[in-house]
Amino acid sequence: NAGVTQTPKFQVLKTGQSMTLQCAQDMNHNSMYWYRQDPGMGLRLIYYSASEGTTDKGEVPNGYNVSRLNKREFSLRLESAAPSQTSVYFCASSAQGGNIWDTQYFGPGTRLTVL
Amino acid sequence: AQSVTQLDSQVPVFEEAPVELRCNYSSSVSVYLFWYVQYPNQGLQLLLKYLSGSTLVKSINGFEAEFNKSQTSFHLRKPSVHISDTAEYFCAVSNDYKLSFGAGTTVTVRA
Repeated sequence: NAGVTQTPKFQVLKTGQSMTLQCAQDMNHNSMYWYRQDPGMGLRLIYYSASEGTTDKGEVPNGYNVSRLNKREFSLRLESAAPSQTSVYFCASSAQGGNIWDTQYFGPGTRLTVL
Repeated sequence: AQSVTQLDSQVPVFEEAPVELRCNYSSSVSVYLFWYVQYPNQGLQLLLKYLSGSTLVKSINGFEAEFNKSQTSFHLRKPSVHISDTAEYFCAVSNDYKLSFGAGTTVTVRA
């Protein structure tokens, strides 16, 4: 099993450009998450999907949209990138989002720079 | 909402020495507590978690953490570290159906 995969691994954008970060998991998990990681701030939740067909805002959703394409895939879209969105983005999944004690499994991350 | 404070941002330590990473949480209700580890250029991995029962929880690679309800703490310890323990460590607390992460503690193990 590959676990959680993310593409691309690196991306440089200019201010105002758009892009979609892709995430897929092969563990048959119900819940998926998008986080951003910034120095000194830990991980902050952007959006999550407790189950296929549902999405909810996390702590820092402004400037982002998500799509739960199917049970395996959860994409994050930046419609008009801003320098403040320069960060490392992690996707994660867990077996059952209603059980917060479930382990979350993380992908390798996408390093995004917005110039 | 629950929150987590990791009291040390950087912890340098010599190989085979003990290490303690401090974590305090704010909560007035039952919580679940986690430690995740991030090795260089990788995603996070679960190290250990406290859900209920024994207040001392252990990982397979020698780390342990103790849940202290009266002090609202969940400190992580290892009696003897290896070079391979160099990583960033995140404490997290359950928050409704989500996790709230601390800012992280970078552990650098030197020979």
